[in-house]
Amino acid sequence: KAGVTQTPRYLIKTRGQQVTLSCSPISGHRSVSWYQQTPGQGLQFLFEYFSETQRNKGNFPGRFSGRQFSNSRSEMNVSTLELGDSALYLCASSLEGSTEAFFGQGTRLTVV
Amino acid sequence: GDSVTQMEGPVTLSEEAFLTINCTYTATGYPSLFWYVQYPGEGLQLLLKATKADDKGSNKGFEATYRKETTSFHLEKGSVQVSDSAVYFCALGAGGTSYGKLTFGQGTILTVHP
Repeated sequence: KAGVTQTPRYLIKTRGQQVTLSCSPISGHRSVSWYQQTPGQGLQFLFEYFSETQRNKGNFPGRFSGRQFSNSRSEMNVSTLELGDSALYLCASSLEGSTEAFFGQGTRLTVV
Repeated sequence: GDSVTQMEGPVTLSEEAFLTINCTYTATGYPSLFWYVQYPGEGLQLLLKATKADDKGSNKGFEATYRKETTSFHLEKGSVQVSDSAVYFCALGAGGTSYGKLTFGQGTILTVHP
């Protein structure tokens, strides 16, 4: 069974640009969550999607957004990139009703 | 709100030493508790879990017991190996309307020397 797949693995962007990250969950998992990991703030929850609907959202500015497609694949978008957005972005998928999350390898975003 | 506190790190041990990484939590209700491990350049791997009080999670020689009375979920291993060197995260999942959200501790860096 394939795990959670995130693409791309690495990205370098310039301040002010926007970026889109992709996540394909484990087959059968309809819940997809996103996290930001930085050395200073640790792992912080961004948002969660289920059946194409955002059900939960962390404390991040509106520049961070996401969506989910009918096949459960998810994307997150960051607009007007700032240096502080440099981080490892992790996607996780879960079965409905389960708190057990399975993570992808992450996308390393560097903003210069 | 929910929170997880891990022992201050990093932790450096010799091979075959005993490992304890402390984790305490604050949450309303009855959360599920997890330990995740992260190797360099990788995402998080679920190491073990416990879903109710007094449950013991175990995997690859690691163990942790869900102690509701002390709100703790300490990670232990009797004999560590060099390959156990990684960052370990304690996490809780509140469930209910906290859809998809795990609350993580700050992580503990473990280095095991031969």
